[in-house]
Amino acid sequence: VVLTQSPGTLSLSPGERATLSCRASQSFSSNYLAWYQQKPGQAPRLLISGASSRATGIPDRFSASGSGTDFTLTISRLEPEDFAVYYCQQYSFSPLTFGQGTKLEIK
Amino acid sequence: QVQLVQSGAEVKPPGASVTLSCKASEHTLTKYYVHWVRQAPGQGLEWMGMIDPSDAGTNYEQKFQGRVTFTRDTSTSSVYMQLRSLRSEDTAMYYCAVVPAGVRAAFDFWGQGTIVTVSS
Repeated sequence: VVLTQSPGTLSLSPGERATLSCRASQSFSSNYLAWYQQKPGQAPRLLISGASSRATGIPDRFSASGSGTDFTLTISRLEPEDFAVYYCQQYSFSPLTFGQGTKLEIK
Repeated sequence: QVQLVQSGAEVKPPGASVTLSCKASEHTLTKYYVHWVRQAPGQGLEWMGMIDPSDAGTNYEQKFQGRVTFTRDTSTSSVYMQLRSLRSEDTAMYYCAVVPAGVRAAFDFWGQGTIVTVSS
């Protein structure tokens, strides 16, 4: 399953709303879709899995939605620490695959 | 929660092999599946495959079939990844990550990564 994320880069200001897209080449259950955040020099961190379940310690400004082939990660009000690269991942089918990432940068 | 500690940086010439380790803090590594993910400089995440430490069963991404081997040592709660016939494109950060055994789950726990540089 090929995952295509858009946009490649998103330039926003703190306090704004961010909407990141992940489109799949074939349909699968949103139960097997995850979103990760990665900052420079760090391992990815799980944000959301199983459609919309936030991982431990993830603030509620992060939410996810979608089904079938179209999935969305929303950050309701950007905080300075949210500027990073975001990846979607499907773990419904083998091989597991990741999107190419969306870089969220400060405008 | 499980913590994963990976081995140190490696520099290898083209054609060589490298073996990386990933050690879990918990004594019961068999409660998890261990996945390997790599990331070339400035690039995205690439899944390489996984091992079930309880029976050493593996699932390799087709791209790496024949060139990679995952093994485990349950006595030390460690898994190993050997990558052979290294080429420059294998220069990357290599991560291990675990999910609970027997379920399809996202990668909640990651190692810190091991940087592998392939250079003559």
